[in-house]
Amino acid sequence: GAGVSQSPRYKVAKRGQDVALRCDPISGHVSLFWYQQALGQGPEFLTYFQNEAQLDKSGLPSDRFFAERPEGSVSTLKIQRTQQEDSAVYLCASSSRGSMNTEAFFGQGTRLTVV
Amino acid sequence: DAKTTQPNSMESNEEEPVHLPCNHSTISGTDYIHWYRQLPSQGPEYVIHGLTSNVNNRMASLAIAEDRKSSTLILHRATLRDAAVYYCILRSWGKLQFGAGTQVVVTP
Repeated sequence: GAGVSQSPRYKVAKRGQDVALRCDPISGHVSLFWYQQALGQGPEFLTYFQNEAQLDKSGLPSDRFFAERPEGSVSTLKIQRTQQEDSAVYLCASSSRGSMNTEAFFGQGTRLTVV
Repeated sequence: DAKTTQPNSMESNEEEPVHLPCNHSTISGTDYIHWYRQLPSQGPEYVIHGLTSNVNNRMASLAIAEDRKSSTLILHRATLRDAAVYYCILRSWGKLQFGAGTQVVVTP
């Protein structure tokens, strides 16, 4: 596809369950970002990859959150032992370069509900 | 990270221009000013960005103050499809740091 694709679109998890969220960036895009968006709030930065290197993970809220991008394309955000406060929309974005002078393209997000 | 300040909401009539202000008094010399918008149940969408000079594209115009401490996004003729949350962001080294944004309401 032409855009950033995220799957699943919706995920319901029982508290304590592990979840994995997938992001397929635009082909050839070097940079990949994950964001968390709570209801009524702006997106909050989680982590940033340039190719397969995770250059910034300062936004990950706890060690239950883990992201990887092993081959520099598809990325997975994993949340272990989910808690109710993890309920949010998780957004993935990619851009063609790592520079500040580049637009980012966002996927539609995965809405995670922890019950 | 440098912070931006935007009004919570703005209202406009359809086919009227909309001027969305953004203050960023702590901007550094290398920060680019980016604008994104987010429609309900969608991911953010790029609108425009600039460094020092005013910028125009098919979606909007960006007017940047000479001291770069503020900027204004201009939607020339608002349509109902422009109703969204608009985010003004200072982009430094890769990541986009979102604030709360401005909710734009367009009335017919």
